[in-house]
Amino acid sequence: DTGVSQDPRHKITKRGQNVTFRCDPISEHNRLYWYRQTLGQGPEFLTYFQNEAQLEKSRLLSDRFSAERPKGSFSTLEIQRTEQGDSAMYLCASSFPPSGTYNEQFFGPGTRLTVL
Amino acid sequence: EDKVVQSPLSLVVHEGDTVTLNCSYEVTNFRSLLWYKQEKKAPTFLFMLTSSGIEKKSGRLSSILDKKELFSILNITATQTGDSAIYLCAPNTGTASKLTFGTGTRLQVTL
Repeated sequence: DTGVSQDPRHKITKRGQNVTFRCDPISEHNRLYWYRQTLGQGPEFLTYFQNEAQLEKSRLLSDRFSAERPKGSFSTLEIQRTEQGDSAMYLCASSFPPSGTYNEQFFGPGTRLTVL
Repeated sequence: EDKVVQSPLSLVVHEGDTVTLNCSYEVTNFRSLLWYKQEKKAPTFLFMLTSSGIEKKSGRLSSILDKKELFSILNITATQTGDSAIYLCAPNTGTASKLTFGTGTRLQVTL
């Protein structure tokens, strides 16, 4: 399977614990995005990487959230001191737009986080 | 703040009906508009629209963009139960080409 993969698919944690999610984009894709989706809402943009550089972060991304893409391939999203309001589906997407154009983002299956 | 509004929020139709889903947007640095279908999993790509008035078509689905009036529509003809899903529209904006999603239209197709 050459699509975007995410791990784990489900995570249940207690409030106050730290969690880390991983995303493996499609191999030649240089752009990687993280989104968060809560019930009844569309996905909301969190952050974006071009290669290993984190170029944009949403105001939604509090200082408890940190994302990395150390070698420009896979990415991790860590949430420290989780709160119940962090419960959501965390989606990763990747794209490889030819220079000067824009193309579709391909989404992974998501990681569903439940904070008890 | 960027804003995307989809209507209707929810729709129930009978198999074989034709549906039109609406998406209006107010965003800065507009690049293109994308439509996605979401079942009980991640969104899957349907269309990307960059120019006004040019219809994109894929089987029974078609979509068009009006950049002057800031809206797009997605049409599905001869609906099937497999079309039941949430349909999301998302303008692609800025140098990051991030997507700003609407809340989606939940379509249910019944026999």
